[in-house]
Amino acid sequence: AQSVTQLDSHVSVSEGTPVLLRCNYSSSYSPSLFWYVQHPNKGLQLLLKYTSAATLVKGINGFEAEFKKSETSFHLTKPSAHMSDAAEYFCVVSAPQGGKLIFGQGTELSVKP
Amino acid sequence: DAMVIQNPRYQVTQFGKPVTLSCSQTLNHNVMYWYQQKSSQAPKLLFHYYDKDFNNEADTPDNFQSRRPNTSFCFLDIRSPGLGDAAMYLCATSRDLAGNEQYFGPGTRLTVT
Repeated sequence: AQSVTQLDSHVSVSEGTPVLLRCNYSSSYSPSLFWYVQHPNKGLQLLLKYTSAATLVKGINGFEAEFKKSETSFHLTKPSAHMSDAAEYFCVVSAPQGGKLIFGQGTELSVKP
Repeated sequence: DAMVIQNPRYQVTQFGKPVTLSCSQTLNHNVMYWYQQKSSQAPKLLFHYYDKDFNNEADTPDNFQSRRPNTSFCFLDIRSPGLGDAAMYLCATSRDLAGNEQYFGPGTRLTVT
């Protein structure tokens, strides 16, 4: 069975400092992994996707994530936070059948001036 | 631009009064999904259509129904809204099942009075 655990419910950083949002997954299969961002009262926007190609995945807005099979992790990083990055971030794994997305609990990112 | 559109963005309905939420897509994707998202929670899948095939999640209440008259449109019908149905409703699409990323609309915020 698939599952996703986001290790922090809330992360606070200062503008211009690095961002690290942690995600661990469990999967019986070679997973497809995603990070989505959701700004208040908006839909979810795909940041990046891993599908067994390169282990370092680059996404939009300067975000990237590294797939580490040995650690079953898919952490999201960004070198320098911007105020506009403040949002809820979801780590997601795709079930092999039925297209179902398994969501982590979400991490709220706050960015201080 | 190709996209997923939801109307209305905000909907207020009375307790027990049927309501319909609308979703349309210009991506020509085969699969359309409806999610319910309550405050500070991850989205919860209600059901999805693969083409004309309807797939209901086991724990989706009978009060929630859906229609997909053509590839582009999908509707969510709530037959008798209760106070507990107040939430953000998200529509999403994907090209196919299994491993494909989903593209989300901006959501409809439903208030039940």
